Amino acid sequence: SAVISQKPSRDICQRGTSLTIQCQVDSQVTMMFWYRQQPGQSLTLIATANQGSEATYESGFVIDKFPISRPNLTFSTLTVSNMSPEDSSIYLCSVANSGLVYEQYFGPGTRLTVT
Amino acid sequence: GIQVEQSPPDLILQEGANSTLRCNFSDSVNNLQWFHQNPWGQLINLFYIPSGTKQNGRLSATTVATERYSLLYISSSQTTDSGVYFCAVDFIIQGAQKLVFGQGTRLTINP
Repeated sequence: SAVISQKPSRDICQRGTSLTIQCQVDSQVTMMFWYRQQPGQSLTLIATANQGSEATYESGFVIDKFPISRPNLTFSTLTVSNMSPEDSSIYLCSVANSGLVYEQYFGPGTRLTVT
Repeated sequence: GIQVEQSPPDLILQEGANSTLRCNFSDSVNNLQWFHQNPWGQLINLFYIPSGTKQNGRLSATTVATERYSLLYISSSQTTDSGVYFCAVDFIIQGAQKLVFGQGTRLTINP
């Protein structure tokens, strides 16, 4: 399976600021996703990061709040904009290759606290 | 809408005990995955199991797709098995594949 890294691993930010999270994979992958895990909750899909085009957002998530880039097949970024304490969560990227076997693998996550 | 339900929500056991975690899902699936989230938040892939039975050491899983459920078995539990176990089901929603997570089972293994 691919080796996935995320930066930063954790951060404490002030409300009103923005944070960009990076996701790097050691091999080319077809699909990259971003998830949010609020404290004590399950994972919720934010968006699918599409190479060379705009991300596909899930209901309840908008591009202005969570802009996503995916310049190539090994890298993606998620920005959490104009943060509020409600954005305190773990943000995880995941990857998969399309085909008959469609298994997702997750990065280590970025633990964000907004004060 | 699509629903993935896990039971029990919490499970506390002594080291050495066996456990069964259940995942029910509401619709036909392409794929089902079991994950273990350790205390540091890392999601570890346990099984990719859209149907049938798989075993890996002390862990095994069975998915009965026609009856829309999956079971994760943990035998001879160790304290390192503690954490949250998630079932995630891959559905086709509006033409796109989406992984939908259950709420998880929090397993605590006491020494």
